Amino acid sequence: AQRVTQPEKLLSVFKGAPVELKCNYSYSGSPELFWYVQYSRQRLQLLLRHISRESIKGFTADLNKGETSFHLKKPFAQEEDSAMYYCAPLVGGSSNTGKLIFGQGTTLQVKP
Amino acid sequence: EAGVAQSPRYKIIEKRQSVAFWCNPISGHATLYWYQQILGQGPKLLIQFQNNGVVDDSQLPKDRFSAERLKGVDSTLKIQPAKLEDSAVYLCASSSSRTSVEAFFGQGTRLTVV
Repeated sequence: AQRVTQPEKLLSVFKGAPVELKCNYSYSGSPELFWYVQYSRQRLQLLLRHISRESIKGFTADLNKGETSFHLKKPFAQEEDSAMYYCAPLVGGSSNTGKLIFGQGTTLQVKP
Repeated sequence: EAGVAQSPRYKIIEKRQSVAFWCNPISGHATLYWYQQILGQGPKLLIQFQNNGVVDDSQLPKDRFSAERLKGVDSTLKIQPAKLEDSAVYLCASSSSRTSVEAFFGQGTRLTVV
């Protein structure tokens, strides 16, 4: 079945520790992949997309087509990183019918 | 630029009643999404519009849910009649192209069905 999986509902780390939020997908083709974040009392917003290969707020995400994974990483977590993170592939086969699908989400809790 | 606007922010209704949610996307955004987010789960796509046409509504429970986007701008999502399991946050999002390079989300409407 086609799905996006975020295996951890909660990830709790101490400030300064490395963070890796896992995402695996099983969609055919080569979907474009995104990470969205929702901070407390704020709207869901884009964090980063794989095609841009950029680092946002110290986060990076590498697309591994062989493992169909798109894990989100940060070498040193900060308390302000505490939020809900969603992996979201854009699926649909062609650029004209792409739809944004969300994983279950992982709550990142960074303790002082 | 102004963000995606949704109203109301909160709604409490009894089961079997009807309810409607309104969304005003970012000006010029052709693509509009409605998502349902049940507590503890990720957003689930209900329907996607491109201008005023439906691109995907495969996950929309059409026996009770309906949505329209008149003139390709504002959109309304209706539930009639509501069930207890419809309690959720309903999110509206818009993007500037069919490929949805970035989707901008509204604050959502929290629906409680009692």
